[in-house]
Amino acid sequence: AQTVTQSQPEMSVQEAETVTLSCTYDTSENNYYLFWYKQPPSRQMILVIRQEAYKQQNATENRFSVNFQKAAKSFSLKISDSQLGDTAMYFCAFKVGGTSYGKLTFGQGTILTVHP
Amino acid sequence: AAGVIQSPRHLIKEKRETATLKCYPIPRHDTVYWYQQGPGQDPQFLISFYEKMQSDKGSIPDRFSAQQFSDYHSELNMSSLELGDSALYFCASSRGGSSYNSPLHFGNGTRLTVT
Repeated sequence: AQTVTQSQPEMSVQEAETVTLSCTYDTSENNYYLFWYKQPPSRQMILVIRQEAYKQQNATENRFSVNFQKAAKSFSLKISDSQLGDTAMYFCAFKVGGTSYGKLTFGQGTILTVHP
Repeated sequence: AAGVIQSPRHLIKEKRETATLKCYPIPRHDTVYWYQQGPGQDPQFLISFYEKMQSDKGSIPDRFSAQQFSDYHSELNMSSLELGDSALYFCASSRGGSSYNSPLHFGNGTRLTVT
């Protein structure tokens, strides 16, 4: 079984600054995917970024980037130039590759508050 | 772009009643997933369907059942509702298949309140 751990229940950052959210996971699988989802107060789940485990290059999507350390089983999310709209709950999620059809295992979430 | 549509957005039921939640995936998505998110908790996987067949099963109570129809929409049927079933129920869709790992796209969720 896979586990995903987010050790920061809450984080805060000033607008325009950079913040890093932590995520570690445990698995015996070699083929897997990692995701960060954002859940704003509207409660919608929005995909922020994803990383294929077989790729060494860290994924980047505009202001969002990850630091994927496969050996350490670490998958942190860095948000640069934070904006008020980034305020949300952020979930790290894990998915086994291959035949699992996308079942995600989520971490506990980190509430991020961006202050003006 | 079209997104995953869930209905209803809010639902209030009494204990022991039955509820049906509906999910309409993004066009050309053939895989649907259901998640349950209790208050202050992370989403928990319930069940998924690929090409109208159940593809995976998580912590779904026996009182719940689900299916995917020929137009790929899915329904989650919940019977003998309990207070603990109060939660936000998310549906997500993707293009499935054993070698195709597209990301999940979530709907806005159905908030079920059992009184």
